[in-house]
Amino acid sequence: DTAVSQTPKYLVTQMGNDKSIKCEQNLGHDTMYWYKQDSKKFLKIMFSYNNKELIINETVPNRFSPKSPDKAHLNLHINSLELGDSAVYFCASGQGVGYEQYFGPGTRLTVT
Amino acid sequence: GQQLNQSPQSMFIQEGEDVSMNCTSSSIFNTWLWYKQDPGEGPVLLIALYKAGELTSNGRLTAQFGITRKDSFLNISASIPSDVGIYFCAGQGNAGGTSYGKLTFGQGTILTVHP
Repeated sequence: DTAVSQTPKYLVTQMGNDKSIKCEQNLGHDTMYWYKQDSKKFLKIMFSYNNKELIINETVPNRFSPKSPDKAHLNLHINSLELGDSAVYFCASGQGVGYEQYFGPGTRLTVT
Repeated sequence: GQQLNQSPQSMFIQEGEDVSMNCTSSSIFNTWLWYKQDPGEGPVLLIALYKAGELTSNGRLTAQFGITRKDSFLNISASIPSDVGIYFCAGQGNAGGTSYGKLTFGQGTILTVHP
């Protein structure tokens, strides 16, 4: 069983479109995260949810809206996609402060 | 904000050699994590460090949490071709409790192993 799963693996879309990425974890963790990896492989936190509550929002444009229907799921919705949104997006989960995090396989988003 | 400097940026080594990489921070972290990322995959946790001075091994991998809490290193002994990938350090701090576990990543070390 995959611990942290994301769908889709690849997402190709045009500028201006709205798209969503889904994430699920079966580790029983309380906290889930979204990270963005740019073309230089740099990983940066975007959001964190703890028990369905938004905890961290790292100056991400408000076109990005995370939603957590329950603590096992954290989805990322992106409105009005721009070229600069092209990146790999990773979902992760953990028990919170002081604990390790486990990453999903990533979603490669390409905006044309 | 917190920054991590990871070095070296890349390494080209022969199979069987030992490898060492490290991360330094401008501020204190309470947890250090080391990940490996293969092409097209997500980062996979290798070692987690929770206490200053802690030295932890995982097979051929050894990592240490620096005494000052501002640095960590990862050693790989007797490298093999499947060690190829990008290695990331990541620090997790309290930052007054507002960070809630967010990881700050180093820039990564690209490891190439020649058979």
